[in-house]
Amino acid sequence: NAGVMQNPRHLVRRRGQEARLRCSPMKGHSHVYWYRQLPEEGLKFMVYLQKENIIDESGMPKERFSAEFPKEGPSILRIQQVVRGDSAAYFCASSPGGDYAETQYFGPGTRLLVL
Amino acid sequence: GEDVEQSLFLSVREGDSSVINCTYTDSSSTYLYWYKQEPGAGLQLLTYIFSNMDMKQDQRLTVLLNKKDKHLSLRIADTQTGDSAIYFCATRRSDYKLSFGAGTTVTVRA
Repeated sequence: NAGVMQNPRHLVRRRGQEARLRCSPMKGHSHVYWYRQLPEEGLKFMVYLQKENIIDESGMPKERFSAEFPKEGPSILRIQQVVRGDSAAYFCASSPGGDYAETQYFGPGTRLLVL
Repeated sequence: GEDVEQSLFLSVREGDSSVINCTYTDSSSTYLYWYKQEPGAGLQLLTYIFSNMDMKQDQRLTVLLNKKDKHLSLRIADTQTGDSAIYFCATRRSDYKLSFGAGTTVTVRA
């Protein structure tokens, strides 16, 4: 059973460009979570999605950031007009769904560098 | 300050025990976790403990929880080179949001 997949693993963007980060959850998982890790800080919750629904985006910046988890295909975290402060590691996690206490399984992360 | 804090680095000799410490601020935390991240890989759940427990042992791993002091530790017995990794402490209330520390990089030297 393949784990959580994220791509690309590394992404370099210039200021003002768009960044698209993809996450494929584990097979059978319908819940996806995105976390961001800034340098020398812990992972911080950004958004929680189920298929075609955003459940909680309280940790996501109000502007330039959006997330989706369509019926088919991976979850996408989109950052428009990137700035240097967006440079971070972005981790995706998934869980089967149905119980808030269940374990979240993490992907390897996407390291975004904004020049 | 951060909700979850841990020291950034730990160096240990092969065969010795490693102890990684973590402090947290949220007294409502009901689940407390240790994750391991090897280079290029995702975070792997090592173990977790419920807040109504004070100790959990799983083979070479021992988790100790001092709820009064909001202190969590992970002890790895007989540390091996394969234990070199970043170890993250994380807490959760009753919902789905995990709060992580910045991670402790453990280096095992021969």
